[in-house]
Parts: sequence; structure tokens; C-alpha cells
Amino acid sequence: RKEVEQDPGPFNVPEGATVAFNCTYSNSASQSFFWYRQDCRKEPKLLMSVYSSGNEDGRFTAQLNRASQYISLLIRDSKLSDSATYLCVVNSNAGGTSYGKLTFGQGTILTVHP
Amino acid sequence: DGGITQSPKYLFRKEGQNVTLSCEQNLNHDAMYWYRQDPGQGLRLIYYSQIVNDFQKGDIAEGYSVSREKKESFPLTVTSAQKNPTAFYLCASSEYRGPTEAFFGQGTRLTVV
Repeated sequence: RKEVEQDPGPFNVPEGATVAFNCTYSNSASQSFFWYRQDCRKEPKLLMSVYSSGNEDGRFTAQLNRASQYISLLIRDSKLSDSATYLCVVNSNAGGTSYGKLTFGQGTILTVHP
Repeated sequence: DGGITQSPKYLFRKEGQNVTLSCEQNLNHDAMYWYRQDPGQGLRLIYYSQIVNDFQKGDIAEGYSVSREKKESFPLTVTSAQKNPTAFYLCASSEYRGPTEAFFGQGTRLTVV
């Protein structure tokens, strides 16, 4: 089983639609979680961190369910400019003397069309 | 400006040659990472380092080597043992402790000719 798994996609949605991406992780010691956005042939950039209480940034909402080891990203009122690949990222840094690492999901491609 | 710099942006290598990709950061980050990305694929971890003079293999370390002699530098060597080295290589850095995001360089596109 992969450490981080995402919906395979691709997602093709019209402008204004609401779309949700899911991601599961296998390491219960994982400490922090992120969603990154990657545009074609560019480096990934942080979209938002994911907190246990859930967090919202404008049209974007991220949720974390530690019991189910699952995180999600909801995009409301999709824009053409939201077209990109969305990457789920898990940091398994347990602090102390444990070495952590950032593990990426395979990414989900979103295309928003007029 | 603080950031992470990869060089070169494009690199061509002949089969059988070793090549080294540079990654430098001035963010004072402890952790650094190398990822490989193939077309239409996610990022796969090659090597990572949490402190100077120490590094760990990731999921696809075979055919690659790294060093971490300085905190700000984490070069990646793609050796002739790597069977299919053509890919997009991304270097990242982050704080070691706490819920930390990663910052990426702009990547190096390696092509074997």
C-alpha cells in the first residue's frame, strides 16, 4: 500500500462547480498535512496546510480526519485558473530523535472549463 | 531574498555519464529533499537529509547518490547505474521540527541523449 494515496482523477468540471479531492495516508504517526498546487512544468507550491479542526481559505476548505487517516480539499465556485494538479502531502516527522520525511501523493489533475 | 535554488534548469547527459544537480538554500532549513517527477506522475522521494552529514534513502534511491556537507547544500548525483534518468528533478527544504511546509526550487529537467 502506498504511504499517501489520492483520487486518481482527472477531474473535468465547469466553471462555478464544487469539486472535492480526497487523500488517505498509512502512517498513523504522521504529524502534519498539506495541499500543494502544481502548474504544468512548474514546481509545487503550498496551497494550504490542513489542521485537525479544518480550515478555510476563501473558496478552499481542507479537512483532516485522524481516526480514518484521511484528508480532503474542497474547492467551491471553481475558476478557470484553478486548473492544475493538486498534491496531497504528509509529513511524518514525529519530532525528538525520529527522522521525518515529506511524502507526496501522486496528484489529481483538475481541469476547469468554460 | 530567501529561497531555494536549483541549477541548471535544463541538463543533457550522454548515456553512461554521471551528472550532478545542484541545490542550495538560504532559508536556514535543516531538512532537504530530492524528488523525481515523471510526466503525469506525482513526486517520488529519492533521498532526504535532516541534518548535516546525514541522509536517508527514499523510495527510489537506486542509481542516485547525495551528500550533505553543508547545511545549505544538498547536491544529487545521477549515476550511470540509473536506468531511466530522464525526468524532472525537484529539490525541497523545510524546517526539521513542527508542522512545516516544504519550499521547492524551480527544478532541473534532465534528458539523456
